[in-house]
Amino acid sequence: DTGVSQDPRHKITKRGQNVTFRCDPISEHNRLYWYRQTLGQGPEFLTYFQNEAQLEKSRLLSDRFSAERPKGSFSTLEIQRTEQGDSAMYLCASSSGTGHYGYTFGSGTRLTVV
Amino acid sequence: DQQVKQNSPSLSVQEGRISILNCDYTNSMFDYFLWYKKYPAEGPTFLISISSIKDKNEDGRFTVFLNKSAKHLSLHIVPSQPGDSAVYFCAGLSNFGNEKLTFGTGTRLTIIP
Repeated sequence: DTGVSQDPRHKITKRGQNVTFRCDPISEHNRLYWYRQTLGQGPEFLTYFQNEAQLEKSRLLSDRFSAERPKGSFSTLEIQRTEQGDSAMYLCASSSGTGHYGYTFGSGTRLTVV
Repeated sequence: DQQVKQNSPSLSVQEGRISILNCDYTNSMFDYFLWYKKYPAEGPTFLISISSIKDKNEDGRFTVFLNKSAKHLSLHIVPSQPGDSAVYFCAGLSNFGNEKLTFGTGTRLTIIP
């Protein structure tokens, strides 16, 4: 297992289009997180899964955003009707839930909305 | 509300000297504080952490100090090396619930050879 994988690494899309990102966590990790980082800011929490259950969503996650984690394995984050303000780095992290030492981030997906 | 603050957006330090990065927080419920290092186009990499019941943790060239009364922590890197040039994020974590991280805005550290 080589860590947390995110795909694609970069995505350029036109405003109004839908985009979907994928995250493959470390296989034995039952917790999965999505964060968003905009320029000059630190990563901000978006949502959290424990196994397949989505247990928390930030108010940053508008109704245009949806995340899933079918069967508690990989996760997808979809943004519908993208806006320029959605341009950011989307980071996925996974954890075994045994403390912060196991918290591992992927390399992120850079979204640019033009 | 900004629960974790890093008031210095950037810091330049000569190679071999000490780098000190600062972080302030407002949320007294954090159980751990973590420092992450981030290179461009990569995800954050865990560097060092400190429990809220400790005042110091050391790992090689990296030491983190916590002053709970002042709600302030700092990361010391000594000696600083060119490979330390990166953006450093301070984050707070609560063991209760989902263990989400609350990050500061980051400090860009540049080590001058």
